[in-house]
Amino acid sequence: NAGVMQNPRHLVRRRGQEARLRCSPMKGHSHVYWYRQLPEEGLKFMVYLQKENIIDESGMPKERFSAEFPKEGPSILRIQQVVRGDSAAYFCASSDRQGYSPLHFGNGTRLTVT
Amino acid sequence: AQSVTQLGSHVSVSEGALVLLRCNYSSSVPPYLFWYVQYPNQGLQLLLKYTTGATLVKGINGFEAEFKKSETSFHLTKPSAHMSDAAEYFCAVSEETGGKLIFGQGTELSVKP
Repeated sequence: NAGVMQNPRHLVRRRGQEARLRCSPMKGHSHVYWYRQLPEEGLKFMVYLQKENIIDESGMPKERFSAEFPKEGPSILRIQQVVRGDSAAYFCASSDRQGYSPLHFGNGTRLTVT
Repeated sequence: AQSVTQLGSHVSVSEGALVLLRCNYSSSVPPYLFWYVQYPNQGLQLLLKYTTGATLVKGINGFEAEFKKSETSFHLTKPSAHMSDAAEYFCAVSEETGGKLIFGQGTELSVKP
């Protein structure tokens, strides 16, 4: 049973370019969460999505960041016009929200903005 | 609003010694509490969780944690540290099962031979 799959593992972008991060949840999971981990910091919640819906985006920066989880295909976190401060590890987690199931995390995408 | 505080960003122990990683939480409702471990360049792996019932929770790799409501704490312990335990440990709280997690800032555990 494959876990949460994130790609790419490493992504390098120049300032001003766009970054697209993909996340395929565990089989049977329809709830996806995105977190950002800055160097020497913990994980900060960004957004929670269900299929075709954004449920909670209280942690998303107001500009340049967007997320989607279409009916078919992976969830996408999109960062437009990247800046150096966007350099971080971005983690995706999924859940089926059944019973006491915890979040299952992917291995992350490490974004470096040059 | 929920929050988590992990006391000590770096903890160093000798191999075979007791491991104690501290976590205090704030929550307006009965919390669900979690400990995750992160090895370098990897994602987070669940160590253990408290939802309801017994307050002493046993997890993987010999770790356990005790939920103390009166102290709003959920400290992580292991009787005898192994070199392979060196990693970053995160405490997290949620108001609902399978819901959004709020993480502490993490504690990096070093194990000396």
